[in-house]
Amino acid sequence: EADIYQTPRYLVIGTGKKITLECSQTMGHDKMYWYQQDPGMELHLIHYSYGVNSTEKGDLSSESTVSRIRTEHFPLTLESARPSHTSQYLCASSVGGNHRNEQYFGPGTRLTVT
Amino acid sequence: KNQVEQSPQSLIILEGKNCTLQCNYTVSPFSNLRWYKQDTGRGPVSLTIMTFSENTKSNGRYTATLDADTKQSSLHITASQLSDSASYICVVSDRGSTLGRLYFGRGTQLTVWP
Repeated sequence: EADIYQTPRYLVIGTGKKITLECSQTMGHDKMYWYQQDPGMELHLIHYSYGVNSTEKGDLSSESTVSRIRTEHFPLTLESARPSHTSQYLCASSVGGNHRNEQYFGPGTRLTVT
Repeated sequence: KNQVEQSPQSLIILEGKNCTLQCNYTVSPFSNLRWYKQDTGRGPVSLTIMTFSENTKSNGRYTATLDADTKQSSLHITASQLSDSASYICVVSDRGSTLGRLYFGRGTQLTVWP
């Protein structure tokens, strides 16, 4: 099983609150990713990082922001949560960023904004 | 447009029976194709990976096939168990992406009944 962790696993929060979803991995992977997944739908890449101090936006536009100050840590922040942000957020990492390298996924955070 | 289509959307089978899940893709240039298993409330876990030159790969009771000419893949599950109940996601990577961008299908939701 992959050594990649996400907290909290479930979060119910009111509109307008600031939230941070935590993701950490102990595999020493350079590349990290955040995906958004709605029920019955495919995963969409919202952020990725090649390494420390590197962050890029993914295919799906997101109001969230990310930071990569340490190799093992890749938190995602929503400054003002809205009901439209309700979704499952999956963090992943890979040892390299090219097409051959497997991405290992965390267990996900299910976010509900009321 | 790079796409991954899976069928059926959902499937119910009895314990001990076999089943086959389908994946069609248009991702180009093709690098590899993975089948992931995603249990409810968990992150996806890789089952098999196949490159262009491989047309079959087994992992226990799971056997994946790939026809790179027709851009089709299948995942065959033998002697199903209750623990096989999950979403099975087909994921294709393209060679043209230095990031290792993944294209996800929406998954087939498999339910195994006793």
